Amino acid sequence: KAGVTQTPRYLIKTRGQQVTLSCSPISGHRSVSWYQQTPGQGLQFLFEYFSETQRNKGNFPGRFSGRQFSNSRSEMNVSTLELGDSALYLCASGRTGVVADTQYFGPGTRLTVL
Amino acid sequence: DQQVKQNSPSLSVQEGRISILNCDYTNSMFDYFLWYKKYPAEGPTFLISISSIKDKNEDGRFTVFLNKSAKHLSLHIVPSQPGDSAVYFCAVFYNQGGKLIFGQGTELSVKP
Repeated sequence: KAGVTQTPRYLIKTRGQQVTLSCSPISGHRSVSWYQQTPGQGLQFLFEYFSETQRNKGNFPGRFSGRQFSNSRSEMNVSTLELGDSALYLCASGRTGVVADTQYFGPGTRLTVL
Repeated sequence: DQQVKQNSPSLSVQEGRISILNCDYTNSMFDYFLWYKKYPAEGPTFLISISSIKDKNEDGRFTVFLNKSAKHLSLHIVPSQPGDSAVYFCAVFYNQGGKLIFGQGTELSVKP
């Protein structure tokens, strides 16, 4: 069974630009969650999508948005990039949602903002 | 305000000895407590969990202890092996919130 895939794996952007990251969940999984990992902050929850609907949202500004398609693939968009957006962005998939130990993480996309 | 804290950013242990990773949380309403392990260039992988109604869960070399009165969670690895070297994240989950909240991580180094 293929795992969670994220593309691209690495990305370099400049301030003010926008970026779109993609996540393909494990086949059959309908939930996709996004996390931002920065040194010293751990993983911070961005949002969760389930069946194309945003079900939960973390405390991030509106520059961070996402969507989920009918095939459960999800994209995350960050507009007007800031230096502080440099981080590892991880997505996790689950069958029914964020419940205990049913989250499977992808390898992440390393975003560097110059 | 961080609801989950791992106060030790790093820990170094000799192979064969016990590794103890600690985590403190603030909200007594959390339902599940989990540990994830992360290797470089990979996403976190689930390790072990415990529900709020228990105080201990064991899986092979890994044991998680929950002290609800102290709002403290710990992971014991016995015996530690060099392959255990990774970053360990504790996480909490509560059904009403519907999301995982992670600590900052502790980097464990097990030396041969």
